[in-house]
Amino acid sequence: DAGVIQSPRHEVTEMGQEVTLRCKPISGHNSLFWYRQTMMRGLELLIYFNNNVPIDDSGMPEDRFSAKMPNASFSTLKIQPSEPRDSAVYFCASSRRGASETQYFGPGTRLLVL
Amino acid sequence: AQSVTQLDSHVSVSEGTPVLLRCNYSSSYSPSLFWYVQHPNKGLQLLLKYTSAATLVKGINGFEAEFKKSETSFHLTKPSAHMSDAAEYFCVVSSSNTGKLIFGQGTTLQVKP
Repeated sequence: DAGVIQSPRHEVTEMGQEVTLRCKPISGHNSLFWYRQTMMRGLELLIYFNNNVPIDDSGMPEDRFSAKMPNASFSTLKIQPSEPRDSAVYFCASSRRGASETQYFGPGTRLLVL
Repeated sequence: AQSVTQLDSHVSVSEGTPVLLRCNYSSSYSPSLFWYVQHPNKGLQLLLKYTSAATLVKGINGFEAEFKKSETSFHLTKPSAHMSDAAEYFCVVSSSNTGKLIFGQGTTLQVKP
Protein backbone atom coordinates (compact mmCIF):
# COMPACT_ATOMS: atom_id res chain seq x y z
CA ASP A 1 0.00 0.00 0.00
CA ALA A 2 1.39 3.39 -1.00
CA GLY A 3 -0.07 5.23 1.96
CA VAL A 4 -1.57 8.69 1.74
CA ILE A 5 -0.02 10.65 -1.10
CA GLN A 6 0.26 14.43 -1.08
CA SER A 7 1.51 16.82 -3.70
CA PRO A 8 3.38 19.00 -3.96
CA ARG A 9 5.73 18.31 -1.06
CA HIS A 10 6.93 21.89 -1.05
CA GLU A 11 5.33 25.03 -2.40
CA VAL A 12 6.67 28.56 -2.43
CA THR A 13 4.37 31.25 -3.75
CA GLU A 14 3.78 34.94 -3.56
CA MET A 15 1.05 36.60 -1.61
CA GLY A 16 -2.17 36.83 -3.58
CA GLN A 17 -1.55 33.75 -5.66
CA GLU A 18 -3.81 30.72 -5.69
CA VAL A 19 -2.45 27.58 -4.09
CA THR A 20 -3.83 24.08 -4.62
CA LEU A 21 -2.79 21.17 -2.48
CA ARG A 22 -3.64 17.63 -3.50
CA CYS A 23 -4.25 14.41 -1.65
CA LYS A 24 -4.84 10.80 -2.56
CA PRO A 25 -6.13 8.76 0.39
CA ILE A 26 -5.44 5.11 1.03
CA SER A 27 -7.59 2.94 -1.18
CA GLY A 28 -10.68 1.72 0.65
CA HIS A 29 -10.64 4.48 3.22
CA ASN A 30 -13.92 6.37 3.44
CA SER A 31 -12.83 9.36 5.50
CA LEU A 32 -10.36 12.08 4.60
CA PHE A 33 -8.98 14.88 6.74
CA TRP A 34 -7.04 18.08 6.11
CA TYR A 35 -4.85 19.44 8.93
CA ARG A 36 -2.61 22.46 9.27
CA GLN A 37 0.47 22.51 11.48
CA THR A 38 2.17 25.69 12.69
CA MET A 39 4.51 26.44 15.54
CA MET A 40 2.03 28.81 17.10
CA ARG A 41 -1.13 26.74 16.87
CA GLY A 42 0.10 23.18 16.60
CA LEU A 43 -2.02 20.72 14.62
CA GLU A 44 -5.48 21.90 13.66
CA LEU A 45 -8.19 20.02 11.82
CA LEU A 46 -9.43 22.12 8.92
CA ILE A 47 -12.08 19.89 7.39
CA TYR A 48 -13.03 16.27 7.03
CA PHE A 49 -15.03 14.23 4.57
CA ASN A 50 -16.97 11.01 4.92
CA ASN A 51 -17.76 9.24 1.66
CA ASN A 52 -16.71 12.36 -0.26
CA VAL A 53 -19.14 14.58 1.65
CA PRO A 54 -17.82 17.38 3.90
CA ILE A 55 -18.89 16.60 7.45
CA ASP A 56 -17.20 19.30 9.47
CA ASP A 57 -15.52 22.38 8.05
CA SER A 58 -15.58 24.40 11.24
CA GLY A 59 -11.80 24.51 11.26
CA MET A 60 -11.50 26.22 7.89
CA PRO A 61 -9.97 29.60 8.70
CA GLU A 62 -11.95 31.76 6.33
CA ASP A 63 -13.51 31.97 2.91
CA ARG A 64 -10.15 32.03 1.23
CA PHE A 65 -9.91 28.33 2.02
CA SER A 66 -11.94 25.72 0.19
CA ALA A 67 -11.76 21.94 -0.06
CA LYS A 68 -13.29 19.46 -2.43
CA MET A 69 -13.45 15.72 -2.77
CA PRO A 70 -14.81 14.92 -6.23
CA ASN A 71 -14.28 11.19 -5.79
CA ALA A 72 -13.07 8.64 -3.26
CA SER A 73 -9.47 8.81 -4.41
CA PHE A 74 -8.79 12.52 -4.66
CA SER A 75 -9.16 15.72 -2.66
CA THR A 76 -7.92 19.27 -3.00
CA LEU A 77 -7.40 22.11 -0.57
CA LYS A 78 -7.32 25.49 -2.22
CA ILE A 79 -6.25 28.84 -0.85
CA GLN A 80 -7.21 31.89 -2.89
CA PRO A 81 -5.77 34.43 -2.42
CA SER A 82 -2.89 33.19 -0.31
CA GLU A 83 -1.38 35.28 2.50
CA PRO A 84 1.92 34.99 4.40
CA ARG A 85 0.07 33.81 7.52
CA ASP A 86 -1.04 30.74 5.57
CA SER A 87 2.53 29.47 5.63
CA ALA A 88 2.42 26.10 7.37
CA VAL A 89 2.66 22.39 6.80
CA TYR A 90 -0.61 20.95 5.52
CA PHE A 91 -1.31 17.29 6.19
CA CYS A 92 -3.87 15.05 4.64
CA ALA A 93 -4.96 11.91 6.49
CA SER A 94 -7.43 9.12 5.82
CA SER A 95 -9.20 6.47 7.86
CA ARG A 96 -11.38 3.49 7.08
CA ARG A 97 -14.47 5.02 8.59
CA GLY A 98 -14.88 8.12 10.64
CA ALA A 99 -12.74 10.51 12.62
CA SER A 100 -12.22 8.27 15.64
CA GLU A 101 -10.75 5.41 13.61
CA THR A 102 -6.99 5.33 13.23
CA GLN A 103 -5.93 8.07 10.87
CA TYR A 104 -3.02 7.57 8.49
CA PHE A 105 -1.14 10.71 7.61
CA GLY A 106 0.55 11.75 4.43
CA PRO A 107 4.02 13.34 4.40
CA GLY A 108 2.59 16.85 4.27
CA THR A 109 2.96 19.86 2.01
CA ARG A 110 5.23 22.59 3.29
CA LEU A 111 3.77 25.90 2.10
CA LEU A 112 5.61 29.19 2.19
CA VAL A 113 3.79 32.33 1.13
CA LEU A 114 6.09 35.29 0.59
CA ALA B 1 -15.49 19.29 25.81
CA GLN B 2 -12.47 17.10 25.33
CA SER B 3 -8.94 18.38 25.67
CA VAL B 4 -5.47 17.01 26.12
CA THR B 5 -2.44 18.46 27.88
CA GLN B 6 1.11 17.30 27.34
CA LEU B 7 2.94 18.26 30.48
CA ASP B 8 6.41 18.62 28.98
CA SER B 9 7.27 20.46 25.80
CA HIS B 10 10.76 18.97 25.74
CA VAL B 11 12.23 15.79 27.25
CA SER B 12 15.88 14.82 27.06
CA VAL B 13 17.16 11.33 27.92
CA SER B 14 20.33 9.36 27.37
CA GLU B 15 20.34 6.42 25.03
CA GLY B 16 19.45 3.24 26.90
CA THR B 17 17.54 5.00 29.69
CA PRO B 18 13.76 4.95 30.18
CA VAL B 19 11.43 7.37 28.44
CA LEU B 20 8.37 8.95 30.05
CA LEU B 21 6.18 11.39 28.12
CA ARG B 22 3.28 12.67 30.14
CA CYS B 23 -0.25 13.34 28.97
CA ASN B 24 -3.42 14.29 30.80
CA TYR B 25 -6.80 14.39 29.16
CA SER B 26 -10.18 15.87 29.87
CA SER B 27 -13.26 14.10 28.62
CA SER B 28 -16.89 13.85 29.63
CA TYR B 29 -17.13 10.40 28.11
CA SER B 30 -14.96 7.34 27.88
CA PRO B 31 -12.36 8.59 25.46
CA SER B 32 -10.35 7.08 22.67
CA LEU B 33 -6.73 8.06 23.15
CA PHE B 34 -3.79 7.89 20.81
CA TRP B 35 -0.08 8.61 20.68
CA TYR B 36 1.38 9.69 17.37
CA VAL B 37 5.03 10.28 16.53
CA GLN B 38 6.40 12.73 13.98
CA HIS B 39 9.98 12.46 12.80
CA PRO B 40 11.58 15.56 11.28
CA ASN B 41 10.00 16.55 7.98
CA LYS B 42 7.74 13.53 8.01
CA GLY B 43 4.04 12.90 8.54
CA LEU B 44 2.54 11.55 11.74
CA GLN B 45 2.65 7.84 12.51
CA LEU B 46 0.39 6.05 14.97
CA LEU B 47 2.30 4.56 17.91
CA LEU B 48 -0.63 3.13 19.82
CA LYS B 49 -4.32 3.50 20.52
CA TYR B 50 -6.54 3.02 23.56
CA THR B 51 -10.21 2.20 23.08
CA SER B 52 -11.26 0.77 26.48
CA ALA B 53 -10.27 -2.84 25.78
CA ALA B 54 -7.24 -2.92 28.08
CA THR B 55 -5.70 -0.19 30.21
CA LEU B 56 -2.13 -1.05 29.23
CA VAL B 57 -1.65 -0.58 25.52
CA LYS B 58 1.41 -1.80 23.67
CA GLY B 59 2.50 0.00 20.54
CA ILE B 60 5.21 -0.14 17.96
CA ASN B 61 8.94 0.24 18.59
CA GLY B 62 8.67 -0.88 22.22
CA PHE B 63 6.42 1.94 23.37
CA GLU B 64 3.48 1.44 25.65
CA ALA B 65 0.96 3.62 27.46
CA GLU B 66 -1.27 3.10 30.45
CA PHE B 67 -4.75 4.53 30.71
CA LYS B 68 -5.49 5.67 34.27
CA LYS B 69 -9.01 6.94 34.60
CA SER B 70 -8.58 8.06 38.22
CA GLU B 71 -5.68 10.27 37.20
CA THR B 72 -7.05 11.15 33.73
CA SER B 73 -3.64 10.28 32.39
CA PHE B 74 -2.27 8.40 29.41
CA HIS B 75 1.50 8.55 29.78
CA LEU B 76 3.79 7.06 27.14
CA THR B 77 6.76 4.98 28.23
CA LYS B 78 9.62 2.96 26.81
CA PRO B 79 12.12 1.01 28.91
CA SER B 80 15.19 1.92 26.89
CA ALA B 81 15.54 4.87 24.54
CA HIS B 82 17.15 4.51 21.15
CA MET B 83 18.66 7.29 19.08
CA SER B 84 15.99 6.74 16.44
CA ASP B 85 13.29 7.62 19.00
CA ALA B 86 14.22 11.29 18.77
CA ALA B 87 11.10 12.93 17.39
CA GLU B 88 7.97 14.92 18.27
CA TYR B 89 5.27 12.98 20.12
CA PHE B 90 1.61 13.92 20.19
CA CYS B 91 -1.02 12.76 22.64
CA VAL B 92 -4.44 12.80 21.02
CA VAL B 93 -8.00 12.40 22.28
CA SER B 94 -10.97 11.63 20.11
CA SER B 95 -14.04 13.72 20.72
CA SER B 96 -16.80 11.28 21.60
CA ASN B 97 -19.60 13.27 20.03
CA THR B 98 -17.90 14.37 16.83
CA GLY B 99 -15.12 11.81 16.69
CA LYS B 100 -12.63 14.51 15.74
CA LEU B 101 -9.07 14.17 16.94
CA ILE B 102 -7.82 16.82 19.35
CA PHE B 103 -4.04 17.06 19.45
CA GLY B 104 -1.83 18.05 22.33
CA GLN B 105 0.89 20.59 21.71
CA GLY B 106 3.54 17.93 21.36
CA THR B 107 6.61 16.84 23.29
CA THR B 108 10.01 16.91 21.65
CA LEU B 109 12.08 13.91 22.69
CA GLN B 110 15.83 14.33 22.51
CA VAL B 111 18.03 11.25 22.89
CA LYS B 112 21.65 11.84 23.77
CA PRO B 113 24.36 9.32 23.02
